[in-house]
Amino acid sequence: GAVVSQHPSWVICKSGTSVKIECRSLDFQATTMFWYRQFPKQSLMLMATSNEGSKATYEQGVEKDKFLINHASLTLSTLTVTSAHPEDSSFYICSARDVGGLGNEQFFGPGTRLTVL
Amino acid sequence: SQQGEEDPQALSIQEGENATMNCSYKTSINNLQWYRQNSGRGLVHLILIRSNEREKHSGRLRVTLDTSKKSSSLLITASRAADTASYFCATDYQAGTALIFGKGTTLSVSS
Repeated sequence: GAVVSQHPSWVICKSGTSVKIECRSLDFQATTMFWYRQFPKQSLMLMATSNEGSKATYEQGVEKDKFLINHASLTLSTLTVTSAHPEDSSFYICSARDVGGLGNEQFFGPGTRLTVL
Repeated sequence: SQQGEEDPQALSIQEGENATMNCSYKTSINNLQWYRQNSGRGLVHLILIRSNEREKHSGRLRVTLDTSKKSSSLLITASRAADTASYFCATDYQAGTALIFGKGTTLSVSS
């Protein structure tokens, strides 16, 4: 099956620093990738839709200037958490749709655990 | 945003028993999918049921979909300790759109 990777798998940073998370589709092309956030013991919340070559679409309540998304190629989307604070500590998961698929297939990365001290 | 609710929020059973989880959603859907997530880990895709399907089986899993009631159920038969995890339903309203997740059910299977 299609594989989506995320890097890093975990990161610890100091408050005020920026953290970049990469999401890659390894064996397929993805014009659209999605970013989710999951707080402990909660469900996944959609943050934004990342479209290759265009601006991301953010969900209501998600600050686009804080969570910068870049989808520069058909296999890579990045999420940068700028000026991270402890409340940004969460599990960030990306997913990607296979361009060549039926449109119903969405593949998830393994997630990145961010801890902001 | 979240599409709907899972019921129950938590479920504790003994090995060998069946586990049933329900999911309700709010808008019309393209597909409904069920995922499992072990604590602190990524998602594992379990099963996809299309909006024009009513029931689907995969091994010990049985999923039903009632679009008139906007609800789905996941049945795990003959549960095992390894089934202990959180289970989420997720829907998309049309092909190509993001999956929206329900709140999830935490299943605990004791041996």
